Amino acid sequence: KNQVEQSPQSLIILEGKNCTLQCNYTVSPFSNLRWYKQDTGRGPVSLTIMTFSENTKSNGRYTATLDADTKQSSLHITASQLSDSASYICVVSAYSNDYKLSFGAGTTVTVRA
Amino acid sequence: DADVTQTPRNRITKTGKRIMLECSQTKGHDRMYWYRQDPGLGLRLIYYSFDVKDINKGEISDGYSVSRQAQAKFSLSLESAIPNQTALYFCATSQTSGRANEQFFGPGTRLTVL
Repeated sequence: KNQVEQSPQSLIILEGKNCTLQCNYTVSPFSNLRWYKQDTGRGPVSLTIMTFSENTKSNGRYTATLDADTKQSSLHITASQLSDSASYICVVSAYSNDYKLSFGAGTTVTVRA
Repeated sequence: DADVTQTPRNRITKTGKRIMLECSQTKGHDRMYWYRQDPGLGLRLIYYSFDVKDINKGEISDGYSVSRQAQAKFSLSLESAIPNQTALYFCATSQTSGRANEQFFGPGTRLTVL
């Protein structure tokens, strides 16, 4: 069964600090991995996408990495802002069924002033 | 993102009642999906549709039904709601082809079944 595990479940950081979120997956055959940001009361919004051949992708202060050999990804948030407080969800799709996504449970990030 | 809208945004209902959640999109996408989100779990697929005449069960379709009334509209029904259907429900859309199956989500409907 395709699975996506995220850690930590939650974290609290001070404004201006950096943090890194982890994602491990067992989805096969791998097609792509996305990180989504879900603000409270909103639907998830895609931040980055990486395919098998990509090992890093940035979107402003968000940088995602992918190690397809170990089936691990990370999302690094640089110089955190209060608006970064949200749930970050790792989503993996298999090559054979690109519309069926495997979702992690998310990491809830709280940024405090 | 106002391109995918869901109504109602919040709903409280009683066990045994029939309830319908509605989703509309202006993105012109062919594919539409219904998911539920529970605390501590990833989103799970309930039903999906690739066009008006196409309806497919997802991993947790029991107790739910859907209707694709038009390309832009996809409704989810709970024929007889039960408390363990209390959850956050999301509608999503995607293009048939193109940018690696990115799905665009509505704002969600918080459903409470008493």
